[in-house]
Amino acid sequence: QVQLVQSGAEVKKPGDSVKVSCKASGNTFTSFGFSWVRQAPGQGLEWMGWISAYYGDTNYAQNLQGRVTMTTDTSTSTVYLELRSLTSDDTAVYYCARVRSVTASKYGVDVWGQGTTVTVSS
Amino acid sequence: NFMLTQPHSVSESPGKTVTISCTGSSGSIASNYVQWYQQRPGSAPTTVIFEDNQRPSGVPDRFSGSIDSSSNSASLTISGLRTEDEADYYCQSYDSANRGVFGGGTKLTVL
Repeated sequence: QVQLVQSGAEVKKPGDSVKVSCKASGNTFTSFGFSWVRQAPGQGLEWMGWISAYYGDTNYAQNLQGRVTMTTDTSTSTVYLELRSLTSDDTAVYYCARVRSVTASKYGVDVWGQGTTVTVSS
Repeated sequence: NFMLTQPHSVSESPGKTVTISCTGSSGSIASNYVQWYQQRPGSAPTTVIFEDNQRPSGVPDRFSGSIDSSSNSASLTISGLRTEDEADYYCQSYDSANRGVFGGGTKLTVL
């Protein structure tokens, strides 16, 4: 069974950047895309974007354009999320999720990471 | 902007069947895949339905998904309700730019 294992909790100050990792087990990493989803305390789920693990193509949420970058390292089967210019509104649990297509973001998600808590506080 | 609307909460008794709706704001909900996620308190979401009506391995066939083009809505039906089904359920699809959109979530109470 494929697993997505995310990096540990982060505490940042306003204006900082954060980089969260998500390592996939198994040997089919480049056959899929990966999305990032976040959840602020007591709130619903918010889609942040998608990256193709094979092509590196990305598709970001409009409200995060310019602040977010998603990358992959195929040698370690790891996906990264970097978010810059953090504010308290970015305090959330961040989840990576495997998307069942390497060519487009609009397919189903079948596996989720365990989540990474990012706290932004002065 | 494309939006998905879910009921805030639903409740039903063990052993019964419940259906959670997810209505698209515009366009045709049938033009992009719909997913359903279950999230228990303090846990990460898990997928119960992907691509309209597909179940990941390990998800029991008590969970089913469907699309109704006439009402521009998707539905998640859970039959033979169990107490462990109590959770928040989110529908998710994509807009015309293939960007993900989530519904607001439905709290299912099994009482």
